[in-house]
Amino acid sequence: SQQGEEDPQALSIQEGENATMNCSYKTSINNLQWYRQNSGRGLVHLILIRSNEREKHSGRLRVTLDTSKKSSSLLITASRAADTASYFCATDHNNNDMRFGAGTRLTVKP
Amino acid sequence: GAGVSQSPRYKVAKRGQDVALRCDPISGHVSLFWYQQALGQGPEFLTYFQNEAQLDKSGLPSDRFFAERPEGSVSTLKIQRTQQEDSAVYLCASSPPGGLNTIYFGEGSWLTVV
Repeated sequence: SQQGEEDPQALSIQEGENATMNCSYKTSINNLQWYRQNSGRGLVHLILIRSNEREKHSGRLRVTLDTSKKSSSLLITASRAADTASYFCATDHNNNDMRFGAGTRLTVKP
Repeated sequence: GAGVSQSPRYKVAKRGQDVALRCDPISGHVSLFWYQQALGQGPEFLTYFQNEAQLDKSGLPSDRFFAERPEGSVSTLKIQRTQQEDSAVYLCASSPPGGLNTIYFGEGSWLTVV
């Protein structure tokens, strides 16, 4: 069964706007990762945040983690049409496997 | 190659047919994972190998699904007597030793059962 749940399921914004996606999970984690998937392609790793970290940045990406609420958010600033994709959070519980949510489908309109 | 390689990329199988999906992980990667992704959904965990040992197969949906990695490198996911509900993308991923940091995905094998 899937562990994380992304919210919203779909998001449509204009180029240049910021996009925020949220992820909630159920059990304690070692780390949480965000992945991106273009239509018809495999998943590409974006960023990892460990359970003892609260915020992490990578380029236009900002990830936060609140372990007390069992939630994470991914912020993409100054979005571009090329950011159109599905975004998944994945949680690692016992270092053996990653469990994914259903994803947020982001559309950035030019 | 540099990345995780999967074959075939596309497979159309008649209901009841057996299929075999191959995964070549990144060289030196100890951990290998199989996921099933239905249209519009996230990847669902199927099974996990560390070297040749299958440490977790709790996600395999039925005994028609079987995975192996006999020499700790290439892995094969076999589906026997395919059914329409098996239609999905099967993703393989691998990760290097030293704990689970980043897992690297292949492009997937798209299975359609007709």
